[in-house]
Amino acid sequence: KAGVTQTPRYLIKTRGQQVTLSCSPISGHRSVSWYQQTPGQGLQFLFEYFSETQRNKGNFPGRFSGRQFSNSRSEMNVSTLELGDSALYLCASREGDNYGYTFGSGTRLTVV
Amino acid sequence: QKEVEQNSGPLSVPEGAIASLNCTYSDRGSQSFFWYRQYSGKSPELIMSIYSNGDKEDGRFTAQLNKASQYVSLLIRDSQPSDSATYLCAAFSGGYNKLIFGAGTRLAVHP
Repeated sequence: KAGVTQTPRYLIKTRGQQVTLSCSPISGHRSVSWYQQTPGQGLQFLFEYFSETQRNKGNFPGRFSGRQFSNSRSEMNVSTLELGDSALYLCASREGDNYGYTFGSGTRLTVV
Repeated sequence: QKEVEQNSGPLSVPEGAIASLNCTYSDRGSQSFFWYRQYSGKSPELIMSIYSNGDKEDGRFTAQLNKASQYVSLLIRDSQPSDSATYLCAAFSGGYNKLIFGAGTRLAVHP
C-alpha cells in the first residue's frame, strides 16, 4: 500500500498570502488529521476529518481551515499568513478510531 | 496541566543497554495509546500501540500500560545507535476525539 502522500514538500510564502496543502491518505483510510509541528510547541492538533465531516478542531484561529473530499483526500488552507505559521504541517490517516495514525512526510512551510 | 507529559531528556544510554521512556496522561477516558519514533527532519513513525493494562512486546520494544496510574512506558532492549531519536507518546482521548501527543523524549544511544 502506498503511504500518506503530502504535497508540496516545501513551501515559501510571504506574510499575508494564503496557502493550500494537500494530503492523500492510505487507501481505505477514511480518517485524516492534520498537525502542526514546531520546535517550541511540539505536535499540535489542527483538525480531523472523517467521511468528509470535520469531527474535531484544535485551538487554532479561523485562518486555518480544511476539508475532505469524497475520495478521502484532504486539503488544509491557511489564509493571511503570519511569520509564526512557519512550521512542519503533518497529515496522518488511520483505519479507525482505535488504530494509530500513519503520518505523511509533511509540508515544511516557511513564511517570510 | 499538560494532557500528555513526557520528560524531554535527553536520555543517554550506552549501546546494548535498556532504554526506559515514560509518559503520563491526564484524561482517564483515554483508551488507546501509541509510541512514535521521530528522527530529526523526518515525520513520526508508529512503533507500538497498546490498549489494555499490562505489557505488549514487539521485537526489542515493550510497551507497558497502567490505566489506574495513568502511566505508559516504552522499553527498548539492546539499544542501538540507530535508536537515537525523539520518542513521542500519544493518547487517544475519546472525550475530545483526538490523538494528543506529548512533547517527546530525546534518546541518545552512544557506542
